[in-house]
Amino acid sequence: GQQVMQIPQYQHVQEGEDFTTYCNSSTTLSNIQWYKQRPGGHPVFLIQLVKSGEVKKQKRLTFQFGEAKKNSSLHITATQTTDVGTYFCAGFLPGAGSYQLTFGKGTKLSVIP
Amino acid sequence: DTEVTQTPKHLVMGMTNKKSLKCEQHMGHRAMYWYKQKAKKPPELMFVYSYEKLSINESVPSRFSPECPNSSLLNLHLHALQPEDSALYLCASSLDGGGGGYTFGSGTRLTVV
Repeated sequence: GQQVMQIPQYQHVQEGEDFTTYCNSSTTLSNIQWYKQRPGGHPVFLIQLVKSGEVKKQKRLTFQFGEAKKNSSLHITATQTTDVGTYFCAGFLPGAGSYQLTFGKGTKLSVIP
Repeated sequence: DTEVTQTPKHLVMGMTNKKSLKCEQHMGHRAMYWYKQKAKKPPELMFVYSYEKLSINESVPSRFSPECPNSSLLNLHLHALQPEDSALYLCASSLDGGGGGYTFGSGTRLTVV
């Protein structure tokens, strides 16, 4: 069935290195959201992208929405230990209700000090 | 107030018990959600309430019974659960459907013995 695919599943980086996670859908998404879940915590909303080709920045985090609105990425520059956690993308799939936010499987980021 | 408050934080219950999870928000959000999250998995949607009416039930077994007493409160009544129902149960809210980030509570970690 339709779903939101996310890669990689795990990423280990040295502190100071960059990190990128990718999200792909087989169908066009109305928007894409990104969440961060710290170990033992709950998902925290980071950002929503709506427009084709949109790029948004939050300090060291850069979010992109593809031109076809089928893919998205989150890039973290110069990772810090505070970036540890699982990053989920989430979208509303076509045909699903406007309340049915579907999450990707997430990318678990480990940062080695 | 920008939080979603869930109680209890932890719950251990037997398979013959009846218990309830509670969720509260005072942000004026009109959509509220129950998600289930197993370890190392993304949150999975269970129920959606929109304007205090149940709008989505994702084929959840009847041993889970949601209730929305008013626009600020959401309950999940549990009865005759199975050990495989052990998980983190997350409540979330959003301004309305179709976009906008979700605010998640810190969850109830449920263990069924």
